[in-house]
Amino acid sequence: SYELRQPPSVSVSPGQTARIACSGDALPKQYVYWYQQKPGQAPVLVIYKDRERPSGIPERFSGSSSGTTVTLTITGVEAEDEADYYCQSTDGSGTYPGVVFGGGTKLTVL
Amino acid sequence: QVHLVQSGAEVRKPGASVQVSCKASGYSFTSYGMHWVRQAPGKGLEWMGWINSANGNTRYAQRFQGRVTITRDTSASTVYLEVSSLTSEDTAVYYCARRPITRNYYDSNGFYVAYMDIWGRGTTVTVSS
Repeated sequence: SYELRQPPSVSVSPGQTARIACSGDALPKQYVYWYQQKPGQAPVLVIYKDRERPSGIPERFSGSSSGTTVTLTITGVEAEDEADYYCQSTDGSGTYPGVVFGGGTKLTVL
Repeated sequence: QVHLVQSGAEVRKPGASVQVSCKASGYSFTSYGMHWVRQAPGKGLEWMGWINSANGNTRYAQRFQGRVTITRDTSASTVYLEVSSLTSEDTAVYYCARRPITRNYYDSNGFYVAYMDIWGRGTTVTVSS
């Protein structure tokens, strides 16, 4: 079955830049979406269609793509950004592909 | 304001079924779809399936095919998830999440669009003997 691969953890100090990668063989032809989840809360969409930011999401969140890897970048990390981050895409199977999540990355703000 | 209000926590015995509801408000119900995603304790997100709220068409993750049913009641702006033959491995928080729908589900770039823009707060389902 199709998989999206993320690092289990990323650590940065406040004010630094955090980069979380998501890789998958089908990504050149599928969009990636990113969700932030804080403990005990539902996920929140922070990036859609690889690089678009929903209204209300701070400008420090951005997305980029290159080949089979898509990256979520948080510029000037703040303490409140500490959370789990999940990438999501589709598996590229058939006309109406299924949805796939990466395993998640725990962002720790030191 | 858009809200997805889910039903309360459930406890079931192994082998039983459970139904979770998700009532939408603040938007045109039939203009969007609805996903169901679950999260086992301490684990990641797992997609279960989705429904087109306008026509009732569904798509399920392969591993849930035959055991999960998603339906909707347009008059009540509510989507339902039913899971049968429960085991302890189904213990999880179950989320509904709204799906923006583009024409034919593909955008002008020819890419399939499938994501979750608004999430419910989740419903805890515990399966225990």
